[in-house]
Amino acid sequence: DSGVTQTPKHLITATGQRVTLRCSPRSGDLSVYWYQQSLDQGLQFLIQYYNGEERAKGNILERFSAQQFPDLHSELNLSSLELGDSALYFCASSVDPRGAGNTIYFGEGSWLTVV
Amino acid sequence: DQQVKQNSPSLSVQEGRISILNCDYTNSMFDYFLWYKKYPAEGPTFLISISSIKDKNEDGRFTVFLNKSAKHLSLHIVPSQPGDSAVYFCAASENNNDMRFGAGTRLTVKP
Repeated sequence: DSGVTQTPKHLITATGQRVTLRCSPRSGDLSVYWYQQSLDQGLQFLIQYYNGEERAKGNILERFSAQQFPDLHSELNLSSLELGDSALYFCASSVDPRGAGNTIYFGEGSWLTVV
Repeated sequence: DQQVKQNSPSLSVQEGRISILNCDYTNSMFDYFLWYKKYPAEGPTFLISISSIKDKNEDGRFTVFLNKSAKHLSLHIVPSQPGDSAVYFCAASENNNDMRFGAGTRLTVKP
């Protein structure tokens, strides 16, 4: 157990809909990262927040947005969903805002299926 | 833009033999490299890392080799055990920022 909690674990929704994925970081971690893992793709970095502020942005679509709340939990909002958005979405957290590799802890992921 | 590539989606080896997982990168500014291991229904977990100032780092049965001129790194597992069966992700970062991951290699170690 990494200490990073993601909900829901599984989600099935229709095209055009909107969903919210939730992440609670490890206790004491100020940084939250979101990654997307599609079939045959590596872990694609989407976005990072540090202590409530956006710190880095990766390959995140305009239809997606995220935020980190004062209690440090984070939400990833996916809207106007398309079939290609079906993927495993990972949240990770770290104390270090730079995300030094061995201090990043991943959650178990949220499986999103768009039908 | 896949800056980190793992060209072998799968690898199968016999228990007790060596497993070699390969990774190539394109960004010459990457200076920190990592391997993560992922079991089904779990998130990736950190396995081993190497800084660009080194060409080898060893941790028990796991050794990572870095060839900067070839922009290539590899993970050696000796001896391989059935419990090593998992997906292995290679990752790289520049100055410890914003890791970029490869697509992963599924390792199967047969008893």
